[in-house]
Order: sequence, then C-alpha cells, then structure tokens
Amino acid sequence: EADIYQTPRYLVIGTGKKITLECSQTMGHDKMYWYQQDPGMELHLIHYSYGVNSTEKGDLSSESTVSRIRTEHFPLTLESARPSHTSQYLCASSEVLGEQYFGPGTRLTVT
Amino acid sequence: GDSVTQMEGPVTLSEEAFLTINCTYTATGYPSLFWYVQYPGEGLQLLLKATKADDKGSNKGFEATYRKETTSFHLEKGSVQVSDSAVYFCALSARTGANNLFFGTGTRLTVIP
Repeated sequence: EADIYQTPRYLVIGTGKKITLECSQTMGHDKMYWYQQDPGMELHLIHYSYGVNSTEKGDLSSESTVSRIRTEHFPLTLESARPSHTSQYLCASSEVLGEQYFGPGTRLTVT
Repeated sequence: GDSVTQMEGPVTLSEEAFLTINCTYTATGYPSLFWYVQYPGEGLQLLLKATKADDKGSNKGFEATYRKETTSFHLEKGSVQVSDSAVYFCALSARTGANNLFFGTGTRLTVIP
C-alpha cells in the first residue's frame, strides 16, 4: 500500500504570509516531486529531489523553495504568498521509473 | 524535446459506451508510457503502463497499446461506468536519474447514467 501524505488539504491565507506545505511518504522512496496543478488540470513540475540533500528546480519557474533533510519528508515553502500562488499543489514519490505515487494534494488560496 | 499530446476534452459518455482517449508522443529513444487517473478531490494514481513497443498495458478494463510506428498510446475501455468519471493523463518517462514524467494536459471524462 502506497502511503504519501500532504497537509494541510486546504489552506486559505492572506497575501504576504509565509507558508509551508508538508509532504511525507512511508515507502522509503529516494525520489520526490512537487507539482502545481492549474484549474485547467495541467500539471507543472516545480521541484524534485533525487534523495537526501538533493533538490532541483523543475520545468515551471516557482518562487517556492524545498528542502530534503530526511528521506521521508519533502516540504515546500512560500516565503511571501501572493494571489498568483493560488493553485493545487501535488506531492509525489517514486522508486521505479515512471511509477509515481501521489498525495491527495493541498488546495491553496491566497487572498 | 520529449512531449505528450493528448486529446482535449471534456468527454461525456453514456454508461456502457465505448471510450477512446487519444495520446501521441514525441521522444528521443524509447520511453516508457503511462496512463494516470485523477478522481475528484484526489491525487493521481497509476492506471496502466507499457515499457516497450507493442506492449499492451491493462487494468480495471482499460487498455492501451504502445505503438512505435504511430507514436501513440491511446486509452480504451469497452464499457464505461459512472465510477470511471475522472481526469485521465497520458505520460512518458524521461530517462533521467530522477524518474521524471512528461504529462499530457489531461482529459476530463464524465459518464452519465
């Protein structure tokens, strides 16, 4: 059973606030990812990690940052939230090529 | 570069109708191909995959065949159910160390009773 968790599921926050979206997995996967999903459903890779102490920027430029100090944990931080950051954020992990396990997502609204 | 082109939706079908969602790809080398499904309010989950030409992936009544000659990986199901209503994503693997995927834009399927 694949277990990957994201908290919070829903977040409404004011402009300028700092937020951290949490992502944890219990499968021991080395590779983890963050995607931004727009209302048109398209997925954009914003960050990924090969393993502990490894982080890379994805295809879509993002003002967010990530860290990977433990295998199971891959949090995403926005230092100063803006309305343009309103979106759904999906976390995923992988061990086998192409097989990614996704969390349920965090729906972020910045007012 | 590598990319996936997916049939645009939305698609609305009656229960028990036949489903086809088209997917074509552009890639260097020989990627693996995938279909993911996203049910309302959830993350994506792997539906099926094919790792080489002529492979057929299948799961839950869905099928897709890796066609190298037409660079396609169309999703089919013979008889859809209301519970199949979801968004379907075609994807191909990038042969990088991070197992990255290139996703299509997604096709929303609604099945009506």
